[in-house]
Amino acid sequence: QKEVEQNSGPLSVPEGAIASLNCTYSDRGSQSFFWYRQYSGKSPELIMSIYSNGDKEDGRFTAQLNKASQYVSLLIRDSQPSDSATYLCAPLGKRQLTFGSGTQLTVLP
Amino acid sequence: ETGVTQSPTHLIKTRGQQVTLRCSSQSGHNTVSWYQQALGQGPQFIFQYYREEENGRGNFPPRFSGLQFPNYSSELNVNALELDDSALYLCASSEMGARYGYTFGSGTRLTVV
Repeated sequence: QKEVEQNSGPLSVPEGAIASLNCTYSDRGSQSFFWYRQYSGKSPELIMSIYSNGDKEDGRFTAQLNKASQYVSLLIRDSQPSDSATYLCAPLGKRQLTFGSGTQLTVLP
Repeated sequence: ETGVTQSPTHLIKTRGQQVTLRCSSQSGHNTVSWYQQALGQGPQFIFQYYREEENGRGNFPPRFSGLQFPNYSSELNVNALELDDSALYLCASSEMGARYGYTFGSGTRLTVV
């Protein structure tokens, strides 16, 4: 079992739709969780962090965390073509972030 | 406040050579981590430095080594380069504990031929 698993995609949604990105993790000790966005050929950019069970909203982004199920998700509302990128889920372990392989999202105009 | 800067941006090396990559951490950050990202994969943890000492290491062989300097900048050294070392190398800085996540530099694209 991989430490961090994400729906591999690619995921395509029409402009204006909701994009749903999912992630499961194996380290029950993880307390902080991060979503990074990575455009092709660029470095990861932090877009959301979540520390407590439940939902956290920031603009068009909502992160959801369920520690009992070891599950974290990211919803992007009113998706825009500029949201087309790879989204990386990263729980914080004892010392470092562990990344999933990412989900490639394409928002179709 | 400056971000994380890495140099060089691109590098081409021959198999068997050695390479040094450099990173300057974001102001106020005392921890530096290095990641390797192969094409189509997520970043893989190489090691982390805190107060000039290695503070954690991923599943990478000893030919991957590093340094952190008193100003928190860092180097990644790779000896005896192999073709599979071709990747994007990412430096990330954080406060100790990384509760607020990592800030990544723009990366160094290493190609081994």
